[in-house]
Amino acid sequence: DSGVTQTPKHLITATGQRVTLRCSPRSGDLSVYWYQQSLDQGLQFLIQYYNGEERAKGNILERFSAQQFPDLHSELNLSSLELGDSALYFCASSVAGVGDTQYFGPGTRLTVL
Amino acid sequence: LAKTTQPISMDSYEGQEVNITCSHNNIATNDYITWYQQFPSQGPRFIIQGYKTKVTNEVASLFIPADRKSSTLSLPRVSLSDTAVYYCLVVDSSNTGKLIFGQGTTLQVKP
Repeated sequence: DSGVTQTPKHLITATGQRVTLRCSPRSGDLSVYWYQQSLDQGLQFLIQYYNGEERAKGNILERFSAQQFPDLHSELNLSSLELGDSALYFCASSVAGVGDTQYFGPGTRLTVL
Repeated sequence: LAKTTQPISMDSYEGQEVNITCSHNNIATNDYITWYQQFPSQGPRFIIQGYKTKVTNEVASLFIPADRKSSTLSLPRVSLSDTAVYYCLVVDSSNTGKLIFGQGTTLQVKP
């Protein structure tokens, strides 16, 4: 158990819909990272937040957005969902910045029908 | 933009040493190179991290040459439980903090 929690574990929805994925980092960690893992794309970095502020951005689509709240939990919002958005979404946390060891949550499996 | 290359798959037998190399260019000069292990339906798990030369911990060693254009993860005496996917993780040199995972190497350990 990494100490990072993600909800929900599974999510099934339809094209065009909007969903919110939630992540609670390990106690004491200030950074949260979001990744997308699909069969054909591997692990893709989406975005990093540090203590509530966006710190780094990866291949995040404009239809996706994220935020980190004062209690340090984070949410990833995915809108206008397409079939290709079906994937495992992982959240990770670290003490501080990019060079720190990241601890990954169990992931949320999103299926878009 | 940083680019990484790893072998897609490797086979080994129990008790052997396994070396997995990741080639990476255009990576940040001041950031670590990190390796993760992933089992099916689980999140990646940290194995080892280094900046240059050699780093060793209780489960693996990491070799990074001076030019930092590659890194080699060494797993001594693998067991069946080491069957997993192994990823290198680097930071893009564009100073944006963008993280780049390698494509992953599926290691199959046979008895």
